[in-house]
Amino acid sequence: EDKVVQSPLSLVVHEGDTVTLNCSYEVTNFRSLLWYKQEKKAPTFLFMLTSSGIEKKSGRLSSILDKKELFSILNITATQTGDSAIYLCAVELGGSEKLVFGKGTKLTVNP
Amino acid sequence: GAVVSQHPSRVICKSGTSVKIECRSLDFQATTMFWYRQFPKQSLMLMATSNEGSKATYEQGVEKDKFLINHASLTLSTLTVTSAHPEDSSFYICSATRQVNQPQHFGDGTRLSIL
Repeated sequence: EDKVVQSPLSLVVHEGDTVTLNCSYEVTNFRSLLWYKQEKKAPTFLFMLTSSGIEKKSGRLSSILDKKELFSILNITATQTGDSAIYLCAVELGGSEKLVFGKGTKLTVNP
Repeated sequence: GAVVSQHPSRVICKSGTSVKIECRSLDFQATTMFWYRQFPKQSLMLMATSNEGSKATYEQGVEKDKFLINHASLTLSTLTVTSAHPEDSSFYICSATRQVNQPQHFGDGTRLSIL
């Protein structure tokens, strides 16, 4: 069975802290790994990773994939209250475009 | 801006009612769209893959007669929850990709509450 496991499930930090969110996976046919941010409504796309070891960066957020160890991390530096959200990790399966989601990490950034 | 539009955003109705949810791709054609369901504090679970011009592909455990999917055009897929019951109350969300090897973009979701 394809599965994606995120940790921690919940995290509370203070503004300015740096956080690392983890995502491990076991799937039969890996195509890519995606990170999304979900606030009140729809998940918004953050990163799509297909190759090992290449860091993707967008402002204070960055992510990297390790296809040998089957995991990815999402880093957020200098966190702000606006970063509070649920961060979802998903693996896209080859041949079908289907996404298998983890349960998400709920991040709360306090002022 | 948004690339996928979903309507309505919220539905509250009585048990036994059928509810239709629309998902539109904005400014691009989507031969494939996806329907997900998300229960409180749970992750998104794929319900079905909607294919333009052909039958939808349902995930294991999802009743195709209960959740009717129609993808009649390249920009519109609809999900109809037939004879909805309280246990069908959930957050339903659709997605589409602009093209192959591109990330899925999600609609804003529909929160369905069956009384």
